[in-house]
Order: sequence, then C-alpha cells, then structure tokens
Amino acid sequence: EVQLVESGGGLVQPGGSLRLSCAASGFTFSSYWMSWVRQAPGKGLEWVANIKQDGSEKYYVDSVKGRFTISRDNAKNSLYLQMNSLRAEDTAVYYCARVGGIDYPFDYWGQGTLVTVSS
Amino acid sequence: QSALTQPASVSGSPGQSITISCTGTSSDVGSYNLVSWYQQHPGKAPKLMIYEGSKRPSGVSNRFSGSKSGNTASLTISGLQAEDEADYYCCSYAGSSSYVFGTGTKVTVL
Repeated sequence: EVQLVESGGGLVQPGGSLRLSCAASGFTFSSYWMSWVRQAPGKGLEWVANIKQDGSEKYYVDSVKGRFTISRDNAKNSLYLQMNSLRAEDTAVYYCARVGGIDYPFDYWGQGTLVTVSS
Repeated sequence: QSALTQPASVSGSPGQSITISCTGTSSDVGSYNLVSWYQQHPGKAPKLMIYEGSKRPSGVSNRFSGSKSGNTASLTISGLQAEDEADYYCCSYAGSSSYVFGTGTKVTVL
C-alpha cells in the first residue's frame, strides 16, 4: 500500500525557516517524480515544486523561487521541502504527492502538514 | 501561472448529471491533453478522479467522465449521489514540468 506521511509543520514567524519531510513507503520511491502541493486555509490547491527521480531536475512555482528548495534522499525514501524567508501568504497545508507520470500526476497524496506563518 | 477558472459552485439533485468547466489558456489546457481532476472531501487529501483528460484510474466510478475542447476541460458526474458532495479541482500540465490547478468547485447534492 502506497503511503506518504508528512511532518515538520508548525508555527513560524515571518522571515523564518522550516523544513518539511515526507516519508514514502509501499512503492519504489526512486522511480518516481515527487511534488509538493499546498492549500491555504479555505482556498484552492497550488502546485509548489517537483523533483525528478534522481534529484537532477527541480521546478518551482514563481512565488516560491529562491526561497524554497525541494530535495530527496532515495536511500531514506524521503522527500523534503526547505522553506526560507517565510511569508504570511505561505500559510497552508502542505501535501506531499507522487507524480505517477506526466499524464498521471498526483496519483497518491499524504495527509498534509500545516504551516502557519504568523508573529 | 494563473489558476485555471472553475465555477465556484455547482449543484444538482440525486440522480441528475452535472458538469464542471475548467478554463485555461493556450499555454496550458489548450496545449496539452494532460488535464486531471481531483475530488476533495472536507479535511481530507485530494483524490485523483480523471487523468489525461478523460481516463479513470482503477477504482473510480464510471459515473465520472472528462472531456476537453480548446482551452476548456470539463468533468461530468452522472447519476449524482450524496457521496459526490465535495470540492473538485482541475489541473493541467503547463510545460517545463510545472502544473497549474483550477480555482475549485464546490459540488452540492440537493
């Protein structure tokens, strides 16, 4: 059974940093692109970042470029999102999602972890 | 990277059919036949319902169908059931390994 379990969310002050983790199991993690998708309270979904199987390619939504870094450790079956210079508008539930294929995106999702940016 | 446009809400009675539209641009929906649809119940993670415009993952009811014309994709739910009440999001590949989601539609079963 595919499982994605996020952790690392919490309350952080504006300008601060946070590192999210996603532990994957039930599939060959190193064979899939992975993504982070977020959802602000009461709002819609927003794709945040993608990373290729070997970590050699990374892509970001414009609003987080230069502030967020996606990474992975295939030996640990783990996905990460380093978030720096956090802003109030980054407040959201952050989901880890598997990219089944370019035509089959986000086929499995974690339960999400809440990040709150507030003073 | 502007969000795709969906109606805020759609409603229907049990047994009826409803259609949710998803309008993008020639840079996303219009350029690729790679639209997916997600169902999200309150407090839950989204669930993939349609991929590649019209294909259903294993286990998804055939009451859900998808289509596309030009820059607009559509999701149709036939034989509406109480359990279909949820938020629905479209998503399109937008090139350079990026994706863009729709604004979301709340489906209410009357």
